[in-house]
Amino acid sequence: GAVVSQHPSWVICKSGTSVKIECRSLDFQATTMFWYRQFPKQSLMLMATSNEGSKATYEQGVEKDKFLINHASLTLSTLTVTSAHPEDSSFYICSAQPADRLSYNEQFFGPGTRLTVL
Amino acid sequence: SQQGEEDPQALSIQEGENATMNCSYKTSINNLQWYRQNSGRGLVHLILIRSNEREKHSGRLRVTLDTSKKSSSLLITASRAADTASYFCATDRMDSSYKLIFGSGTRLLVRP
Repeated sequence: GAVVSQHPSWVICKSGTSVKIECRSLDFQATTMFWYRQFPKQSLMLMATSNEGSKATYEQGVEKDKFLINHASLTLSTLTVTSAHPEDSSFYICSAQPADRLSYNEQFFGPGTRLTVL
Repeated sequence: SQQGEEDPQALSIQEGENATMNCSYKTSINNLQWYRQNSGRGLVHLILIRSNEREKHSGRLRVTLDTSKKSSSLLITASRAADTASYFCATDRMDSSYKLIFGSGTRLLVRP
């Protein structure tokens, strides 16, 4: 149980286009999902916290108009990278927190999406 | 910003040896967790230790937590080539809503 999927697993796009990444909790409901970015050989950096039915909370330095987050249901959050540029090329990972395990802060991670912007 | 620092940044050992990775953090925490990441993949949760716990075991893994020093260690005993991966500690701050802050990671290479 507690499986999180991401789609697509990798994407290559031209500079200036927008890319949407989906994060789904497959067998549990997640009131909160998190989006991370990871550059090569670096750690995960939290970008934003996505709560179902409300606006996402962005970390300092992350542009909310560039990284649009929508958490429309208890099993789906989407991250849209708008007007992507080469410096946005990175590994994007989501995690989902089961609604019934808030006290343990248990998060389950998706397999990640590799974005390459040409 | 990252809260945790890990050392060593990279570790190369022979199969069968033990591997020890250390993590230090800056603020008070509820829990500390260790994750593993194979190259280009997502994270796999290894173990969670609560702030009121000092040591925890899971199979070949042993985690210690010293809240007075704000540090934790992960010991992998009898390492295998399949243990080759990056290992990250992650903490959730007491003043934060379930956010995980990751350490810088240790890249472990287990030579067969």
